Amino acid sequence: QKEVEQDPGPLSVPEGAIVSLNCTYSNSAFQYFMWYRQYSRKGPELLMYTYSSGNKEDGRFTAQVDKSSKYISLFIRDSQPSDSATYLCAMMEGAQKLVFGQGTRLTINP
Amino acid sequence: GAGVSQSPSNKVTEKGKDVELRCDPISGHTALYWYRQSLGQGLEFLIYFQGNSAPDKSGLPSDRFSAERTGGSVSTLTIQRTQQEDSAVYLCASILGGVFNEQYFGPGTRLTVT
Repeated sequence: QKEVEQDPGPLSVPEGAIVSLNCTYSNSAFQYFMWYRQYSRKGPELLMYTYSSGNKEDGRFTAQVDKSSKYISLFIRDSQPSDSATYLCAMMEGAQKLVFGQGTRLTINP
Repeated sequence: GAGVSQSPSNKVTEKGKDVELRCDPISGHTALYWYRQSLGQGLEFLIYFQGNSAPDKSGLPSDRFSAERTGGSVSTLTIQRTQQEDSAVYLCASILGGVFNEQYFGPGTRLTVT
């Protein structure tokens, strides 16, 4: 079993929809929880990160962490075609390596 | 440009040949990571540098893989006697010390072993 599980999709939704992306994990020592966005043939770019449990909002994006359930989510409101990309969750214990989920390929249809 | 750069962007090599992949981190970033991304997969950790030392090499898949970092800057990932299963995108990321959110990935090197 992988340390971080993420449904690879693909996920296709109409423009303007609310998108929910999720990951589960098994290592209770993870402290930092991140979401990256990766466009085709580009490196991942950090969207948001959260330390420990709680919610964090940045514009149309909201990240949630529930450490008791070992479950994290990313919500995208008012989704746009430019949001079409692969979204990767990642987690870190201390300041060491990132452990990534498989990534979810998201398409927003105009 | 101030971003992380990697070279070459694409590399096609024959099975059994050695390859060197280069990462130029953002100036002043003290930590550097190498990851591998196979088709349709998430990123797999390979090695982490803090300065010139590598406290965590646990992700290197075999002794054919090695990496070094000199001057606290440029890093080279070397794959000896390449195999077809080494085909992947190799990504480098640099981080400004403990300031967690200052983390940037390069565009990657796409390696194809024929």
